[in-house]
Amino acid sequence: EAGVTQFPSHSVIEKGQTVTLRCDPISGHDNLYWYRRVMGKEIKFLLHFVKESKQDESGMPNNRFLAERTGGTYSTLKVQPAELEDSGVYFCASSQDREIHGYTFGSGTRLTVV
Amino acid sequence: GENVEQHPSTLSVQEGDSAVIKCTYSDSASNYFPWYKQELGKRPQLIIDIRSNVGEKKDQRIAVTLNKTAKHFSLHITETQPEDSAVYFCAASTADNTGKLIFGQGTTLQVKP
Repeated sequence: EAGVTQFPSHSVIEKGQTVTLRCDPISGHDNLYWYRRVMGKEIKFLLHFVKESKQDESGMPNNRFLAERTGGTYSTLKVQPAELEDSGVYFCASSQDREIHGYTFGSGTRLTVV
Repeated sequence: GENVEQHPSTLSVQEGDSAVIKCTYSDSASNYFPWYKQELGKRPQLIIDIRSNVGEKKDQRIAVTLNKTAKHFSLHITETQPEDSAVYFCAASTADNTGKLIFGQGTTLQVKP
């Protein structure tokens, strides 16, 4: 079984540019989560999809962030326009059902905004 | 809001010694507490977890204890090895049980050979 896949693994962009991160969850997993770790700080929740619907987007920092999950498969997270404080590592995770258990994270996308 | 505090932020031990990392959580409705290990440049990996109906769980050199009354939980690593060096994160589930986790700030553990 393939794990959670994210790409790109690294992205360096200038302030004001747009970046799109992608997450491919484990096949068949309805739940998909985005998290972010800013350097030296905790891993913070961004949002949660159930299939193609946003279940909880309370962690999204502001309207420069847009997440989609068309068709309930892979998800994208777009940052437009990027700001310096958006730098960090963005992780995706997926799980099959609503029962609470530890889920598998992707390897993350390290975003650097310069 | 929901919050998880983790201490210490850094921990250095000699190989063979024990390491203890402590977390406190704010939401008394939290009922699931996983621990993740993140090695440099790699993804966070689940190493052990505990549910609120259990006070202690052990897996080889790793154990987790939970005190629901005090809203504390701790990770214990015995006989530490250099490969235990990593950042460790504790987390707690949220009251809505949607799978969302609230993470602590992380502990950088260094095991010196």
